[in-house]
Amino acid sequence: QKEVEQNSGPLSVPEGAIASLNCTYSDRGSQSFFWYRQYSGKSPELIMFIYSNGDKEDGRFTAQLNKASQYVSLLIRDSQPSDSATYLCAANSGNTPLVFGKGTRLSVIA
Amino acid sequence: EAQVTQNPRYLITVTGKKLTVTCSQNMNHEYMSWYRQDPGLGLRQIYYSMNVEVTDKGDVPEGYKVSRKEKRNFPLILESPSPNQTSLYFCASSFLLGGANVLTFGAGSRLTVL
Repeated sequence: QKEVEQNSGPLSVPEGAIASLNCTYSDRGSQSFFWYRQYSGKSPELIMFIYSNGDKEDGRFTAQLNKASQYVSLLIRDSQPSDSATYLCAANSGNTPLVFGKGTRLSVIA
Repeated sequence: EAQVTQNPRYLITVTGKKLTVTCSQNMNHEYMSWYRQDPGLGLRQIYYSMNVEVTDKGDVPEGYKVSRKEKRNFPLILESPSPNQTSLYFCASSFLLGGANVLTFGAGSRLTVL
C-alpha cells in the first residue's frame, strides 16, 4: 500500500516566521512530489512540485526532497495569516494516480 | 479561462435516488479523476481515466460509476446513494509537466445523502 504521511497539526507559527511542513512516503518508486494548499471548504491548489533531490524555490516557498530518506518538506518564509490553510503532500510516479497525505493544518498567528 | 467545472456544487438527496455529478474541463487534458474528501481521511481517489473510454478504479470505487465518452467530460454516477457517501467530492484533470502529473481541481461538490 502506497502511503504518504503527514503530521496533522495544527502547526502554529507567528507572522513573519518560517513554517516547516514535512511529509514522508512509503513507495521508493515515487518520482514526483507535490504540495497543495487547501483553504477550508475550497479545492486544493497546487503550490509547487519537485522531482529532483535538493531544493526548489518559488517566491516564499521552498520544497525540499530527499529520496534516500523518502522525505519531502515545504518551507514557507515570512509566513502571513493568509497562509493559514491545510497543506497536502502528494506523490506519484509517471502517470499513476497521486497518493495524498491527510494534510497538515497550518495556523499563522498575527 | 482554464478550469474544471463541477455541478451541482451542493446537493441533498435521499437514499437510493440515483444522481450524477458532472465534471467538465476545457484544457484538453487526457487524465481526469474523482476524489472524495472526508474529515480525518483526507483525499481518496474514487476513479480515474487516462483517456476517452479508458477508466480504472481508485482506492474507494464501491458504490460509484464513471464514464468517459468525451475527452472533456467525466461524470460521476451514484446509482443508489447511501448515507456513507455523504462527502465532499472533487473532480480533477491533469497533464504531464516535466514528468510530473499536475492536477487541477474543480471547486467541489458537497453531497448529503439522507
